[in-house]
Amino acid sequence: QKEVEQDPGPLSVPEGAIVSLNCTYSNSAFQYFMWYRQYSRKGPELLMYTYSSGNKEDGRFTAQVDKSSKYISLFIRDSQPSDSATYLCAMSGELTGGGNKLTFGTGTQLKVEL
Amino acid sequence: DVKVTQSSRYLVKRTGEKVFLECVQDMDHENMFWYRQDPGLGLRLIYFSYDVKMKEKGDIPEGYSVSREKKERFSLILESASTNQTSMYLCASSFGSGRFYEQYFGPGTRLTVT
Repeated sequence: QKEVEQDPGPLSVPEGAIVSLNCTYSNSAFQYFMWYRQYSRKGPELLMYTYSSGNKEDGRFTAQVDKSSKYISLFIRDSQPSDSATYLCAMSGELTGGGNKLTFGTGTQLKVEL
Repeated sequence: DVKVTQSSRYLVKRTGEKVFLECVQDMDHENMFWYRQDPGLGLRLIYFSYDVKMKEKGDIPEGYSVSREKKERFSLILESASTNQTSMYLCASSFGSGRFYEQYFGPGTRLTVT
């Protein structure tokens, strides 16, 4: 079983819809939870991060972490065609002195249609 | 503006060739990473480095080696390329503390081994 599971999609929604993207994980040591967005033929870029549990909002995007269920979500309100991309969740434990790596999900491909 | 550059966008090599992929970052980041990205498998960490001349194996180091002689440059070496190393290779960098969870990615090198 992978440490981080993510439904690959593809997910196709109409413009204006609310999108819900999710990941589950098994490692209880994870404390940092990130969402990266990757446009076609580009490298991923950080969209949002959350430390430990709770919600975080940034414009149309909301990230939620439920550590008791080992489940994280990204919600996109009023989705736009420009949101069409692959969304990758990523996680990490507490910072250590020897360098910190991230564990990525496989990514969910999202298409927002006009 | 942070920049991570990779030496080639597309590369075609023959089986058995030695292949060098170069990555340069201009943000004075301590950490540098090499990933490969394959459909259905997501981002998989090959090697990372948290300081000059320091390296650690990631999840799939077999068939690869790395070199970091200068802080800004991280090279991935395929000692004897094989067809199963055909993939998209992504380099990334990040700070060693603080916003360590924000990795900056290069545009990727699509390597085809024939």
